[in-house]
Amino acid sequence: EAQVTQNPRYLITVTGKKLTVTCSQNMNHEYMSWYRQDPGLGLRQIYYSMNVEVTDKGDVPEGYKVSRKEKRNFPLILESPSPNQTSLYFCASSSLTGGGGPQHFGDGTRLSIL
Amino acid sequence: GQNIDQPTEMTATEGAIVQINCTYQTSGFNGLFWYQQHAGEAPTFLSYNVLDGLEEKGRFSSFLSRSKGYSYLLLKELQMKDSASYLCAVRDLGNTPLVFGKGTRLSVIA
Repeated sequence: EAQVTQNPRYLITVTGKKLTVTCSQNMNHEYMSWYRQDPGLGLRQIYYSMNVEVTDKGDVPEGYKVSRKEKRNFPLILESPSPNQTSLYFCASSSLTGGGGPQHFGDGTRLSIL
Repeated sequence: GQNIDQPTEMTATEGAIVQINCTYQTSGFNGLFWYQQHAGEAPTFLSYNVLDGLEEKGRFSSFLSRSKGYSYLLLKELQMKDSASYLCAVRDLGNTPLVFGKGTRLSVIA
């Protein structure tokens, strides 16, 4: 089954404790992206990647890191989480061939930083 | 810059038809997507328009006018399960990320 898998689905942690949210897709997509979603603000892009070893900042990259060492994986790293990073996070992937296809989203990760 | 506008909220009656509008301003255009998102869940793909006109898919249709920078999503025979947010997203030219609107929250009432 074609899917984007995020882990964990839920996490409550404390300020300053490094965490990683994993994202994996099995569709051989070139493009992967991370979003955060907050009430009234919609989906805001954090980072994206066009292919292996190629990453770019989105609209709200501060406080986040990413890596793309393999095509299928795109982890999101919070080196020193702060309460303003409490949010619902989505990973997405899409093909870039033929002009690009629709994005497929993971089920989301709800992070609470205390 | 890029700007996408949609109404924040709409309410419609079960069985009725509702039209959700989206206007966009982008430096280039390479397609417009509509997604449905139920509260707390992931967005799911509904439709894609790259040429002017109407695309119909069951109870859902999407229309695009590139010259006007305008699209709408039409939902017919509304059901309670259609209560969700509907996101409009635009792709600029080249391999650029999708830009999402803030979404329209639709409430279907009996």
